[in-house]
Amino acid sequence: DGGITQSPKYLFRKEGQNVTLSCEQNLNHDAMYWYRQDPGQGLRLIYYSQIVNDFQKGDIAEGYSVSREKKESFPLTVTSAQKNPTAFYLCASRRRDGGDSPLHFGNGTRLTVT
Amino acid sequence: GQQLNQSPQSMFIQEGEDVSMNCTSSSIFNTWLWYKQDPGEGPVLLIALYKAGELTSNGRLTAQFGITRKDSFLNISASIPSDVGIYFCAGDSGGSNYKLTFGKGTLLTVNP
Repeated sequence: DGGITQSPKYLFRKEGQNVTLSCEQNLNHDAMYWYRQDPGQGLRLIYYSQIVNDFQKGDIAEGYSVSREKKESFPLTVTSAQKNPTAFYLCASRRRDGGDSPLHFGNGTRLTVT
Repeated sequence: GQQLNQSPQSMFIQEGEDVSMNCTSSSIFNTWLWYKQDPGEGPVLLIALYKAGELTSNGRLTAQFGITRKDSFLNISASIPSDVGIYFCAGDSGGSNYKLTFGKGTLLTVNP
């Protein structure tokens, strides 16, 4: 079955360490997105990529970095510069060939930084 | 930036009751989407609306795209315990960059 796989499900890190969250999709989607979710909040866009080797900052990109070397993969690095990294991170993807291609989400990675 | 006002923030209902939630915006959206999120999981798309005035059903769920394109509602009929979760609305204003604006969610609790 096609889908979006995020790994690991839970991640624990010490403050000051960079950490990379994995996102892989086999839906042949062109566009991929990273969102952050905090309790009681909506989803906030961190970075998105509409095509391989290209990506744009979202609303809260500071302290994060991404790469898009392959169509299927869009890893997110949470750097030590991110002041409040503990959160639930969601990866999503969609086709680019039409307006009726809604966003599909992975099952998320819960990052805890202490 | 664009904002969506989603209400209510939370609902506590008895099994079998009907539920209604809505989203409003000061901006026009070309697409409205409704998602459900179970605890610890990613949001799952329930209904997508693409035309102003469109009314779409998916089983016990019905959603409408407001005629002004600034609002949408989601109704759930005859609620069951597995309806528990957070429901999000999302709007897309169009353009080449598909950047959705999300509401803050409605937490639904269904008492059996």
